[in-house]
Amino acid sequence: EVQLVESGGGLVKPGGSLRLSCAASGFIFSNAWMSWVRQAPGKGLEWVGRIKSYTDGGTADYAAPVKGRFTISRDDSKNTVYLQMNSLETEDTAVYHCAAPMALGVTVPFDYWGQGTLVSVSS
Amino acid sequence: QAVLTQPSSLSASPGASASLTCTLRSDINVGPYRIYWYQQKAGSPPQYLLRYKSESDKQQGSGVPSRFSGSKDASANAGILFISGLQSEDEADYYCMIWHSSAYVIFGGGTKLTVL
Repeated sequence: EVQLVESGGGLVKPGGSLRLSCAASGFIFSNAWMSWVRQAPGKGLEWVGRIKSYTDGGTADYAAPVKGRFTISRDDSKNTVYLQMNSLETEDTAVYHCAAPMALGVTVPFDYWGQGTLVSVSS
Repeated sequence: QAVLTQPSSLSASPGASASLTCTLRSDINVGPYRIYWYQQKAGSPPQYLLRYKSESDKQQGSGVPSRFSGSKDASANAGILFISGLQSEDEADYYCMIWHSSAYVIFGGGTKLTVL
């Protein structure tokens, strides 16, 4: 059974930093292109970014609102993907989900989703 | 103007059918795009339903019933999620999504489907 379990959320002040983790199991993590998708309270889904597998270069791409502030990394030895969030803004308040496709070498569709972890940015 | 526009809400009766639309911004032609659809029930993460580009390029999500299907309306520049035989359990938020070469993944604003 595929499982994605996020952790690391919490309350942080504007301008602060936070690192989220997503532990994966039930599939070959090293081959997966992993994404982060967020959802502000009562709002819709917003893609944050994606990291490719190391086999495919290991590079990351980001949505415009977070580019330069957020960094996605992965540790295949721990089957874990990370989201480092710096210079946080109140608009970053959301539940952050990690997500992945079933197929290899693609970003979408997101077949697998974690339950998410809540990040609240407030003074 | 948003890239993908969805009606904010839709109501339908049990046993009836519902068509949820996802309209692309006028400068983006729906033809070349795969339209992906997700269902999100309250308190749960989204679930992948299906993708539709054409009759020869479509995919049903794992375990998704055949009463969920996709299509396009080229004249309206829109993707459509069709749900037949509505059940109370279909009450949820539905999101469309595309992969765009310059902006990567784009979601629509979502449609809240009420079955009553």
